[in-house]
Amino acid sequence: QKEVEQNSGPLSVPEGAIASLNCTYSDRGSQSFFWYRQYSGKSPELIMFIYSNGDKEDGRFTAQLNKASQYVSLLIRDSQPSDSATYLCAVKASGNAGNMLTFGGGTRLMVKP
Amino acid sequence: DAGITQSPRHKVTETGTPVTLRCHQTENHRYMYWYRQDPGHGLRLIHYSYGVKDTDKGEVSDGYSVSRSKTEDFLLTLESATSSQTSVYFCAISAATTVNYGYTFGSGTRLTVV
Repeated sequence: QKEVEQNSGPLSVPEGAIASLNCTYSDRGSQSFFWYRQYSGKSPELIMFIYSNGDKEDGRFTAQLNKASQYVSLLIRDSQPSDSATYLCAVKASGNAGNMLTFGGGTRLMVKP
Repeated sequence: DAGITQSPRHKVTETGTPVTLRCHQTENHRYMYWYRQDPGHGLRLIHYSYGVKDTDKGEVSDGYSVSRSKTEDFLLTLESATSSQTSVYFCAISAATTVNYGYTFGSGTRLTVV
């Protein structure tokens, strides 16, 4: 079974700090990786995707991918209370005719003012 | 917002009754999905569709069926609802199979089976 693992948290960081969220996956054939943010009672929204080894930056968010270690992370710089949410890691395997994503259980982030 | 709507938003039903949830999209996307989200389990795929009348099972498909007679509509039916099917159900759509296409989610349906 293909697995995507995340620490459920909560991860608590002070306002202005860097939040680091981590995700590991079991399928070496995984092709692309997504980070979704989900506020309580709301639906997940896509915030980042990455498919090449290394870093990808978008505003305060940086996604990092290491396929050899089967590890993907999300850094949030200058964390704000509005970043408090659950962050879901999702993985798409290669040869995936159904375009399916496998999700981790999510990490709850709390940013304290 | 992306053109994806789910109905109903909330539903309470009795054990043993059939229930149908609807997902409607206006994006003309090929792929549609039904997930359920439960504490401790994250999002789990129930069924998906890769075209009109083309559907397949996900990891938690027992007790569920789907239909897609039009590109825009994807229906999820609980054939005989059980308390274990109390959950939040999300529909999602995706345009293509290229590496950088993720999903757009609907607002969800909170289903309670009593």
